[in-house]
Amino acid sequence: EGQLVESGGGLVQPGGSLRLSCAASGFTFSSHWMTWIRQAPGKGLEWVANIKQDGTEKYYVDSVEGRFTISRDNAKKSLYLQMNSLRAEDTAVYYCTRGPVSGTGKGYWGQGTLVSVSS
Amino acid sequence: NFMLTQPHSVSESPGKTVTISCTRSSGSIASNYVQWYQQRPGSCPTTVIYEDHQRPSGVPDRFSGSIDSSSNSASLTISGLKTEDEADYYCQSYDSSNRWVFGGGTKLTVL
Repeated sequence: EGQLVESGGGLVQPGGSLRLSCAASGFTFSSHWMTWIRQAPGKGLEWVANIKQDGTEKYYVDSVEGRFTISRDNAKKSLYLQMNSLRAEDTAVYYCTRGPVSGTGKGYWGQGTLVSVSS
Repeated sequence: NFMLTQPHSVSESPGKTVTISCTRSSGSIASNYVQWYQQRPGSCPTTVIYEDHQRPSGVPDRFSGSIDSSSNSASLTISGLKTEDEADYYCQSYDSSNRWVFGGGTKLTVL
């Protein structure tokens, strides 16, 4: 059974930086697009960024473009999100996800890591 | 880019059937697959429908999905409602560059 475990969240001041990590296990990490989703307190789900299997394609929601960088290390089966110039509106639980795959619909979500941006 | 619009909330009694809609603002709903996620309070989302109408293993057949090109919308139907179905439900699709687009979410109350 696949599993995703995020780490790296915490409290940071506006303008600060954090690096989130996501460790994958139980599936062939290198074969799948990977995605970061966030959920602000009491709000809905928001797609943040995703990255192709080999890292050659990366996409970002407009609100984080130029501030966040998604990356992956297939040898370590890990996904990352470098977050710079953080703003209060970036406060959210950040989920690492592998979307449902064709044929089985199997998808995985981590438990989420909370990022709080406040002075 | 397009938006997906869902009703803010729906409610229905146990044993009944409820349908949650998800309307695409521009472009065809059939252009990109629609997924539906269930999120119970304090938990991460789980997939209940993928590729418009497919059900992952382990999801009861009380859950079904469909798309309707005439209304440019997708629908999640839950029959034989149980109290355990009470949750937030999100539709999600993709744009032409594989960016995910979520609906705003629908709170289902089973009372």
